[in-house]
Amino acid sequence: DVKVTQSSRYLVKRTGEKVFLECVQDMDHENMFWYRQDPGLGLRLIYFSYDVKMKEKGDIPEGYSVSREKKERFSLILESASTNQTSMYLCASSFPRGSSYEQYFGPGTRLTVT
Amino acid sequence: KQEVTQIPAALSVPEGENLVLNCSFTDSAIYNLQWFRQDPGKGLTSLLLIQSSQREQTSGRLNASLDKSSGRSTLYIAASQPGDSATYLCAVRDDYKLSFGAGTTVTVRA
Repeated sequence: DVKVTQSSRYLVKRTGEKVFLECVQDMDHENMFWYRQDPGLGLRLIYFSYDVKMKEKGDIPEGYSVSREKKERFSLILESASTNQTSMYLCASSFPRGSSYEQYFGPGTRLTVT
Repeated sequence: KQEVTQIPAALSVPEGENLVLNCSFTDSAIYNLQWFRQDPGKGLTSLLLIQSSQREQTSGRLNASLDKSSGRSTLYIAASQPGDSATYLCAVRDDYKLSFGAGTTVTVRA
């Protein structure tokens, strides 16, 4: 069974703090993704990575950065958290291009910035 | 830019009734389409994956069809149960990226 885990289910941070969200997958997937989910806006892609140390911007990368030092781990960094970054953050992973490209999601981190 | 629409936004049915959830997308150049289930406050669980060359996919009480040329997919859930209450999301893949619909929230009344 594919397992994608996220470091925290709930997180409360203050405005201006640096925030790290961690994601780990155990299926040797090349691709990893960070999304945020907001009511009325659905899921939006923040960043993705197709290999170690490789990253690509998604639809809404502003205010975020990412790090992928090891294949199984993908971190999302909020350099200076703001209240508009309060959201549900979802990590996903998959194998690369090919016919069987299914994304598997983690349980999500509910981040509140006060 | 790919736009994915799910209709209806919400659905309430009595237990035992069949569910029909619709998904439409604007760009037919997709690699595949994936249906997910999401329970409140939780992550996404993959239900079915249909490759662009396939017309349908089945798993237990779930059946999903794909008409790529018209940009439509339908998820059928037979003999609904209260445990089927959740939000159902469809997503289409082009290259790396998944584009999601806003979801259909289903309530199955006992």
